[in-house]
This record gives sequence, structure tokens and C-alpha cells, in this order.
Amino acid sequence: DAKTTQPTSMDCAEGRAANLPCNHSTISGNEYVYWYRQIHSQGPQYIIHGLKNNETNEMASLIITEDRKSSTLILPHATLRDTAVYYCIVISTGTASKLTFGTGTRLQVTL
Amino acid sequence: DVKVTQSSRYLVKRTGEKVFLECVQDMDHENMFWYRQDPGLGLRLIYFSYDVKMKEKGDIPEGYSVSREKKERFSLILESASTNQTSMYLCASSLTSDEQYFGPGTRLTVT
Repeated sequence: DAKTTQPTSMDCAEGRAANLPCNHSTISGNEYVYWYRQIHSQGPQYIIHGLKNNETNEMASLIITEDRKSSTLILPHATLRDTAVYYCIVISTGTASKLTFGTGTRLQVTL
Repeated sequence: DVKVTQSSRYLVKRTGEKVFLECVQDMDHENMFWYRQDPGLGLRLIYFSYDVKMKEKGDIPEGYSVSREKKERFSLILESASTNQTSMYLCASSLTSDEQYFGPGTRLTVT
């Protein structure tokens, strides 16, 4: 599976959009980009995933560059409850796959 | 909503004890996973199962065993607990995709 690089931490004001970047320059053609988050003392939570097209759901939007070497997770109106560690991972899908989280980005949403 | 439950949030056991961690999911998912999460080491896969009575070793199976007698239940067993097994244990389930749903975690302390 391709390795990902994320900033260690970011701050965002409540109500503003939070844009979390991820680099995955070694991604291969059959690998998807997945985003999870983990709020303190809870299990990880799936957010969104995509292959090459931009994706949106009720939680977030995922923007993947045309060359697929990087992506951005967008939380359009961050709230205090979005304070968490956000993990970007790249995996081949289709069969049961283990998740390998790196250190992720610690997003702090402030008043 | 998918629900994954784990038998305990916090557990304290003595060295040498046999420990059972139970995980139950209510969405008829094929795949179930056991991870442990430690500071600085991220998420590591212990075992996973893609069907009843089937199991596969993950990255760190030593000192652990698993049981999946029913589709909804996946148990992790520490045959003889040791202090280096003090950790947060996370159970997850998924259908054939890689969108994994996690339980709240069990924080196990072995003294």
C-alpha cells in the first residue's frame, strides 16, 4: 500500500472550512484514498473515500488531484466536535484489507 | 446505523491471566478485525476473519488467538496476559469494501 504524508497538526476556527491535505505520491492505479478520524478515547470513524473523482457526503468532501498524488479532505463548517486526529490512507480495495494508520493530522477546532 | 460493540471499555488483568475480549456487530458484515493501538505505533492488525470459523493472522498475532463461531461475534483471546499487551484494543467490521466500522475500544491494563 502507498505511503501517505500529512501535517502533524492544524487549527481551524469554528464555522470555517477545515482543509486537510494528504500527499500520496506513490499511489497506484487500483488504490483508493480513504479518510478516517479518531476523536479522543473513541474508535476510528470512517469519513469518506474516493478513487479519482471528487466525492461528497454528509460529513465531508474529498478532492483528489488529477495526477492522484495528493488529496484534500474538506469539512465545510467545522465544529468543536470535529476536533480529532484525521488519518489519510491508501489501500487496494475489493477484499478485506487491514488499515494502517500513520500519525495523522491533529485538527483542533477553536471558538 | 452500523453498531459494533465491545464487551468492556476498561479492563485490568494480572500477568498470566487468560483474557477474553468480545466484539459483536449487528450489520451482518462478512469481515471482522482486531487491532491494537499504541502511542507512536499507530494501529496494528492482530487478526482478522472473513467468514465464520475462518481467521487470518495480521501483523502481530503472537500471544493472541481468536474465535469466530458466529458471524456477528469475533473474540480475541490473550492466552497468558503480559504487561506488553497493555494497550487499546479495537474491533472493526466491514462488508466486502474497506469501509470499516469500529467499536469504542477496550483499554486493557495488564499489571
